[in-house]
Amino acid sequence: AQSVTQLGSHVSVSEGALVLLRCNYSSSVPPYLFWYVQYPNQGLQLLLKYTTGATLVKGINGFEAEFKKSETSFHLTKPSAHMSDAAEYFCAVTASNTGNQFYFGTGTSLTVIP
Amino acid sequence: ETGVTQSPTHLIKTRGQQVTLRCSSQSGHNTVSWYQQALGQGPQFIFQYYREEENGRGNFPPRFSGLQFPNYSSELNVNALELDDSALYLCASRSGQGNTGELFFGEGSRLTVL
Repeated sequence: AQSVTQLGSHVSVSEGALVLLRCNYSSSVPPYLFWYVQYPNQGLQLLLKYTTGATLVKGINGFEAEFKKSETSFHLTKPSAHMSDAAEYFCAVTASNTGNQFYFGTGTSLTVIP
Repeated sequence: ETGVTQSPTHLIKTRGQQVTLRCSSQSGHNTVSWYQQALGQGPQFIFQYYREEENGRGNFPPRFSGLQFPNYSSELNVNALELDDSALYLCASRSGQGNTGELFFGEGSRLTVL
């Protein structure tokens, strides 16, 4: 079975500082990994995804993530935080044997301090 | 291109009642899945429909049921509502049923059960 663990339910950074949101996954087969962002009272919007190929993935709004198989990690980073980045972030995993199911983490709430 | 739309956006029911939530998939998408997001949690997979057939189901009881129509829109029905059914219900669509495709989410239907 697949699962995702997001370390840190709340993360605070200063505006302009590095953003690092952690995600570790468990999968018995090659995973497909995703990061989604959720603003208050809205649905989820895809930031980036890893399926195959290059392990460093670039997404929207300056975010990127690196797939590290040896560490079973897919951490999300952004060099310089903006106030508009304040939101809830979800890491998700799926795979060929999940029965079409995406498994989401419990989320990390990002606060950006001016 | 029209995105995923859900209705109603908010509703209040009492225990034991039944509810129907509706979803129109994004243009060109033939796969719809439903997720339940409890307060402070990540989305949990309920089920997925592909070409009007259920082809994946999460750990939800039979009182959660669904339909997909020829135009690929979908309904989620919940019978005998319980207090724990209070949550944001998210509909997501994508093209095809392979797991490499990202999910496109609607803004959700927030259900409160009293």
